[in-house]
Amino acid sequence: GDSVTQMEGPVTLSEEAFLTINCTYTATGYPSLFWYVQYPGEGLQLLLKATKADDKGSNKGFEATYRKETTSFHLEKGSVQVSDSAVYFCALRNQGGKLIFGQGTELSVKP
Amino acid sequence: DVKVTQSSRYLVKRTGEKVFLECVQDMDHENMFWYRQDPGLGLRLIYFSYDVKMKEKGDIPEGYSVSREKKERFSLILESASTNQTSMYLCATYRTGSFKDEQYFGPGTRLTVT
Repeated sequence: GDSVTQMEGPVTLSEEAFLTINCTYTATGYPSLFWYVQYPGEGLQLLLKATKADDKGSNKGFEATYRKETTSFHLEKGSVQVSDSAVYFCALRNQGGKLIFGQGTELSVKP
Repeated sequence: DVKVTQSSRYLVKRTGEKVFLECVQDMDHENMFWYRQDPGLGLRLIYFSYDVKMKEKGDIPEGYSVSREKKERFSLILESASTNQTSMYLCATYRTGSFKDEQYFGPGTRLTVT
């Protein structure tokens, strides 16, 4: 079945470091891909999305590119801040319309 | 802004109790969902509803039921709570045909069953 796999956390970085959180997926057809973020004590909120191959989603300095050939959607940010500390979820919406989440990656940014 | 509220942020119940978790949304979205969130497992879909009085099982419906009597309200029911239902429960909504294709989440209810 369709699935999403993320790199395991927690990921701990110093402020202004470069961030990559890996995400790969398995799905038939051309799913839409998403990154959701969950700040401490809150529900998830959409960070960015891409709907077709080679699309780049971006928001708040974060970027991810839909790579069909490697079935990946890695999240990147050039310079993280303490306020970026959160849990990040990669997700896909499959052909049946179902939203499938990865296991989440916790990011901790130290000053 | 879409607002999704959940009846409790923290809940402690005893094994065997009947537990009600409520979710209310204010944006007239047709679709509502209940997930549970566990470390290392991400979000798993318990039940969803695409209209009033309609419900569909998700991936892990065992031990749960739901009720949707009004469009804005979706309740999750644990008929007889067990310790393995200790978890974070998240409600979400979604508008069919939305260009933004975004699910909106409530803040979550952390349930502990002792």
